[in-house]
This record gives sequence, C-alpha cells and structure tokens, in this order.
Amino acid sequence: GENVEQHPSTLSVQEGDSAVIKCTYSDSASNYFPWYKQELGKGPQLIIDIRSNVGEKKDQRIAVTLNKTAKHFSLHITETQPEDSAVYFCAASKVDSSYKLIFGSGTRLLVRP
Amino acid sequence: KAGVTQTPRYLIKTRGQQVTLSCSPISGHRSVSWYQQTPGQGLQFLFEYFSETQRNKGNFPGRFSGRQFSNSRSEMNVSTLELGDSALYLCASSPVGLAGGRADTQYFGPGTRLTVL
Repeated sequence: GENVEQHPSTLSVQEGDSAVIKCTYSDSASNYFPWYKQELGKGPQLIIDIRSNVGEKKDQRIAVTLNKTAKHFSLHITETQPEDSAVYFCAASKVDSSYKLIFGSGTRLLVRP
Repeated sequence: KAGVTQTPRYLIKTRGQQVTLSCSPISGHRSVSWYQQTPGQGLQFLFEYFSETQRNKGNFPGRFSGRQFSNSRSEMNVSTLELGDSALYLCASSPVGLAGGRADTQYFGPGTRLTVL
C-alpha cells in the first residue's frame, strides 16, 4: 500500500547549523511531494513542494531534493533559527488521486539558541 | 485573502453522539479535503470533495461522512462517536483547475479539536 517513512522523529540542532529531514515513499506513481511545518495549535503550513519532473528546488534557506530512482526526498534547512522549531511533515501524492496526501510521521525540530 | 476557516475550534462530545464540523475554503478554491490527525496514527486522509462530489476517500469506516455545498463550503459528520475518534480534524482547500491531474497545493485550516469522553 501507500506509505511514506520519515526520519528522524526528533532533531535538535544549534542555531545557525543545518537540519536535514529524509523521507522515503513506496508508491512509484507518486509525483508530488510537499513539506509542511506545523506549530503548536496550528494547522500544517506548506513551506516548499517539488514535483517529479524536478530534482531540486530551493527557496531562501529551504531546499528539497528528490531522487525518483531511490524513491527518496529530503528537506534541507540552512542557517537554522529558533523560529524554525516546529514539527515538519513530508507528504506524497500521485496523479490519479492528487488530492490524497500520504503523510510521513513527522519530525520534531528543536533549534537551540 | 482569508485562509481556510474551521468551526468550531474545540468540541467535546460523549460516546455514541454524532458531530458535524464545518470548513470554509479560501475564496475561489473549489476542492476541500479532510484529514484526521492523532498522535498514534499521524495525519490520515479522510475524503476530498470537488463540485459537491466526493472524488476520493480514505480508509475510514462509514461513520465518517462529508458533503460539499455549491459555495464550496464543506461539512464532515461523524456518527456514533467512539473514544478513538478524539483527534484534530483538519480541512484543506485547493484551487483546482489545471488539467492532466497536476496536483494542486493544499492549504490547511487550524483544525477542530474533537474530544470524545
């Protein structure tokens, strides 16, 4: 069945360091991979997404890479700041059910000042 | 533009009761999806509506149902509540309109926290 595995479950970094979160998906038909940030008491907020025809995408301090062969995608946050502390979710969806997002289990990121 | 709004934000019910949650999508968005978030199961897809039609459904029992109105607003209903239905219920809206099954970005609301006692 459809599954997205996400690692690590918790990540603690010093302010200014980089953080990397990795996800692996099972369904080779998946073609859309968003990343969401969820702060306490709020709904998930989209921070970046990538489609299967692109290998990498960057937006300021945030980047996502996609390896379709390995069915693997990663979130990279550089120059982390305390306000980056939150739970991050990766997700995947496919063409024939593009509004059905399959989420990873989440990574709790703590940025220490 | 106003974001996705969900009402109520918090709800307490007892086992066996039913509940209706409401979602107003971003203006102009035509697709509404619902997700259940629990500590144990994470974020799970419930269903998605477009033009008042359910297009996709997750693996939830028939006690979970939904509908969409002509103005794109959506409601979800859970009948015969069980303790395990306690969760954060999230609604997400998408603009829809691109051909070829290209996935639209989904924008989430703040959720409704349902507690079943």
